[in-house]
Amino acid sequence: NAGVMQNPRHLVRRRGQEARLRCSPMKGHSHVYWYRQLPEEGLKFMVYLQKENIIDESGMPKERFSAEFPKEGPSILRIQQVVRGDSAAYFCASSQRGLSRRDTGELFFGEGSRLTVL
Amino acid sequence: GQQLNQSPQSMFIQEGEDVSMNCTSSSIFNTWLWYKQDPGEGPVLLIALYKAGELTSNGRLTAQFGITRKDSFLNISASIPSDVGIYFCAGQLDSNYQLIWGAGTKLIIKP
Repeated sequence: NAGVMQNPRHLVRRRGQEARLRCSPMKGHSHVYWYRQLPEEGLKFMVYLQKENIIDESGMPKERFSAEFPKEGPSILRIQQVVRGDSAAYFCASSQRGLSRRDTGELFFGEGSRLTVL
Repeated sequence: GQQLNQSPQSMFIQEGEDVSMNCTSSSIFNTWLWYKQDPGEGPVLLIALYKAGELTSNGRLTAQFGITRKDSFLNISASIPSDVGIYFCAGQLDSNYQLIWGAGTKLIIKP
């Protein structure tokens, strides 16, 4: 499967614990985007990363949330000290070309990681 | 912030009917993307549009990039049960290349 791979598909955490969500982009893609989706709602942009760089984190809460895309390995979205309001589906997407260029790369999505905070 | 108005919010149709949905904005876009999301899955790209006036088909789906570059529509002809899901539009702003998402159109087919 050469698509965007996300894991875990489902994650249950108690309040105060940490959640780590992983995303491996499509082969040949160096741009990764994280989105959050609440039930019955649309996609909310969180962060856009290129290898080793955060390009745009304007949609990510300043506290408890962080993201990285190291030179080797998957992109990680980390949520510290989770609260019930963090329960949502978190989607990762990747593109071959970044959004900083006029000829945008199409985004390809993973199947999402569903976080439930008890 | 920038907004895309996607309508309708939801549609209840009979199998076999044609469907039309659209996205509008006051901003100018250089790219439009249409996605479909099935329950419990990630969005899947249906059609990408890159030029004003462009009309592109993908099977029973047809999408157009509005001539003003501020809107786009998606049509589905002769709907079938597997068309149910949420359809999202996304447009890339001409000014700063940021990708803006619509809130989605939920398609429900009446039995």
